[in-house]
Amino acid sequence: DIQMTQSPSSLSASVGDRVTITCRASQTISRYLNWYQQKPGKAPKVLIYAASSLQSGVPSRFSGSGSGTDFTLTISRLQPEDFATYYCQQSYSTPLTFGGGTKVEIK
Amino acid sequence: QVQLVQSGAEVKMPGASVKVSCKASGYTFTAYYMHWVRQAPGQGLEWMGWINPNSGDINLAKNFQARVTMTRDTSISTAYMELSRLRSDDTAVYYCARTSGVVNSPYYYIDVWGKGTTVTVSS
Repeated sequence: DIQMTQSPSSLSASVGDRVTITCRASQTISRYLNWYQQKPGKAPKVLIYAASSLQSGVPSRFSGSGSGTDFTLTISRLQPEDFATYYCQQSYSTPLTFGGGTKVEIK
Repeated sequence: QVQLVQSGAEVKMPGASVKVSCKASGYTFTAYYMHWVRQAPGQGLEWMGWINPNSGDINLAKNFQARVTMTRDTSISTAYMELSRLRSDDTAVYYCARTSGVVNSPYYYIDVWGKGTTVTVSS
């Protein structure tokens, strides 16, 4: 199974900050990497697919990069509605696996 | 609009089984794989498996192969996930989720999620 490791597991940031979350795969996964946002009590929502493609309707302050084993999700200017938990997920092979999550909290 | 409507919350005794349903609407049910993902309280996301609604083929995570059955009824656009021999650590929110492929590429991702079904296992 491919292990996905996210860092940090949590961070505190202020509105307007630039935030970067990293995700590392235990083996190369090309660009088979998706990012999701989850708010408390809600289902996850896709932000980025195929490592860097922005899902329709998602604000352009979200961006993704990387390929192989190392990936990054960046929020260019954090907004109040962005405080949530973020998960990376590989779709290179089954079992599909998720990172442990990064909780973005208000500083 | 595209949506997945899941069945209601369940409370079960250890050793019992639970069957969760997921009714799809707004799209052609047989054209998209359906996945099941669970989330224990305060924990991350765990993939359980997928079903191809067209063929009925399934692919289960190793952890669930002995206890999970995934089925579908195409006449009512509904997928089902049954988990047997429940344990307290099966207490979780269970999501059904549709995957979509990226045109002209091998990539795919979960683009639609149900709201989740809370299953509580307690004596």
